[in-house]
Amino acid sequence: QVQLVQSGAEVKKPGASVKVSCKASGYTFTSYGISWVRQAPGQGLEWMGWITPYNGNTNYAQKLQGRVTMTTDTSTSTAYMELRSLRSDDTAVYYCAKTTYYYDSSIGAFDIWGQGTMVTVSS
Amino acid sequence: SYELTQPPSVSVSPGQTARITCSGDALPKQYAYWYQQKPGQAPVLVIYKDSARPSGIPERFSGSSSGTTVTLTISGVQAEDEADYYCQSADSSGTSVVFGGGAKLTVL
Repeated sequence: QVQLVQSGAEVKKPGASVKVSCKASGYTFTSYGISWVRQAPGQGLEWMGWITPYNGNTNYAQKLQGRVTMTTDTSTSTAYMELRSLRSDDTAVYYCAKTTYYYDSSIGAFDIWGQGTMVTVSS
Repeated sequence: SYELTQPPSVSVSPGQTARITCSGDALPKQYAYWYQQKPGQAPVLVIYKDSARPSGIPERFSGSSSGTTVTLTISGVQAEDEADYYCQSADSSGTSVVFGGGAKLTVL
């Protein structure tokens, strides 16, 4: 079945970096996008950006430009999200989501989600 | 920055119809998507492109669009539908994804 399996929880100090992985299975990895979304404790969903594994094209949320990098390894069907210069307000659950694009829509549907990775930033 | 506005909470009795709205200036030209999130779980797509329902989503979930407002309708609400619901769309340029603040559906 189609699934995304993310790496485990992380605890980081302010100023450090974190890299979360998202391994896809059950579908052709290069035929869909991967989006990243985070959710701070008790808060709503925040879009971080997406990557198209077919060609590596990325689109990042303006708020995170310069601190986030999304990459993929098509040989292992794995996507990665690296966030640098971590602050306490980066504490959140980070999700990856398989993204299905439509010819008549600017954005795609986030139709399969990973289980989430808790990242805690604390001194 | 662009925003989508949802009511913080909606309450209905079992068997009744719940309507959750989402307003945004770009909605007349951008599709909306809806996600259901239960406590401790990842979100689940329940409606895409304003009104299409993914396979496996019950028929009681439907979506509609009118001007700057989109609506998620849950007919014959069941206790298992109690969750947070988020709308999602793009800004007018189509380059940035935005989520609404979420609406908590309570089944009385």
